[in-house]
Amino acid sequence: ILNVEQSPQSLHVQEGDSTNFTCSFPSSNFYALHWYRWETAKSPEALFVMTLNGDEKKKGRISATLNTKEGYSYLYIKGSQPEDSATYLCASRRDYKLSFGAGTTVTVRA
Amino acid sequence: GAGVSQSPSNKVTEKGKDVELRCDPISGHTALYWYRQSLGQGLEFLIYFQGNSAPDKSGLPSDRFSAERTGGSVSTLTIQRTQQEDSAVYLCASSSLYFFGYNTEAFFGQGTRLTVV
Repeated sequence: ILNVEQSPQSLHVQEGDSTNFTCSFPSSNFYALHWYRWETAKSPEALFVMTLNGDEKKKGRISATLNTKEGYSYLYIKGSQPEDSATYLCASRRDYKLSFGAGTTVTVRA
Repeated sequence: GAGVSQSPSNKVTEKGKDVELRCDPISGHTALYWYRQSLGQGLEFLIYFQGNSAPDKSGLPSDRFSAERTGGSVSTLTIQRTQQEDSAVYLCASSSLYFFGYNTEAFFGQGTRLTVV
């Protein structure tokens, strides 16, 4: 089991503001870093998979970066909207196994 | 189906009873995973299937937990003599053979919320 940590545990954002949060993971034997968005009563939705140091991925107003040498990834939300309210999970993959952090719960206030 | 399907969505059971949770993975996905999230905790790995075999059962918390997969498709997670600490959301995920290509995704079902009273 990999020790994957996410911070902060929760955050509140005013609609229209941008925000970001962190995932840290062991850098040894790294395969891939996954980000998911999980809304209440729904399936966790895959956002990004990143494998290479320096990778940057973007999906609409959400983007992510990856630093495999130091073992961290940032997720950014630009111009937050109420529909961005969810728990954002990161997972580090080694071989077949995904090890998840506890998540960052984002609440966007209108 | 188009996605991973789990049933039931919610299950309330009395302490000491057995429960079965079902997962229908995406057609053609050979890898299947069970995870659970207890209140205030992260997603905890339970078991991994490749086809019908389970090369990694290391996350099953006790011998009251078991899982099987048949026909390389449907999986059932069984919890015997349920305890209150078993209350959690149980999630199933499926993926292509052995995460073929490092950037292959795992797709999750909506989960089963188990409450033991």
